[in-house]
Amino acid sequence: KAGVTQTPRYLIKTRGQQVTLSCSPISGHRSVSWYQQTPGQGLQFLFEYFSETQRNKGNFPGRFSGRQFSNSRSEMNVSTLELGDSALYLCASSSLGNEQFFGPGTRLTVL
Amino acid sequence: EDQVTQSPEALRLQEGESSSLNCSYTVSGLRGLFWYRQDPGKGPEFLFTLYSAGEEKEKERLKATLTKKESFLHITAPKPEDSATYLCAVQTGANSKLTFGKGITLSVRP
Repeated sequence: KAGVTQTPRYLIKTRGQQVTLSCSPISGHRSVSWYQQTPGQGLQFLFEYFSETQRNKGNFPGRFSGRQFSNSRSEMNVSTLELGDSALYLCASSSLGNEQFFGPGTRLTVL
Repeated sequence: EDQVTQSPEALRLQEGESSSLNCSYTVSGLRGLFWYRQDPGKGPEFLFTLYSAGEEKEKERLKATLTKKESFLHITAPKPEDSATYLCAVQTGANSKLTFGKGITLSVRP
């Protein structure tokens, strides 16, 4: 069974730009969660989507948004990038809200 | 608000030297406690889920235990390939949100 895939793996952007990251969950998994990982804050929850609906949201500004498609694939968008948005963005998929399986992440660098 | 604290922040062991990693948590209504392993530049790899106090799970040289306030990840006779960051997370409520600790970086010297 294929694991969670994320694209792109690396991104370099400049301040003020926007970025879209993509996540394909494990086949059959309908829940997709997004996390931001930084050396200072560790792993922090961004949001969760289930059946195309946002089910939960973390404490991040409105510049961070996401969506889920009918095939369970998910995208997250960050607008008006700031230097502090540089991080590893991780996507996790789960079935019935139990164990979450993570993808390899997208490393975003904001210059 | 759910809180997870892991200690120590870093641990250096000699190959074969057994030890334990600690995860303390403060939550209202624990639904599950998760252990992950993360290698540099990679996403976390799922290890265990524990659901109730007294539960134990084992996998190769790793054994996870759970009480009402903390969880331990015991590593027996570690090898250099066990070197990684070990993350603990809790899940509460009806959704999938995980609250993570900062992780413990384990280094095993040959």
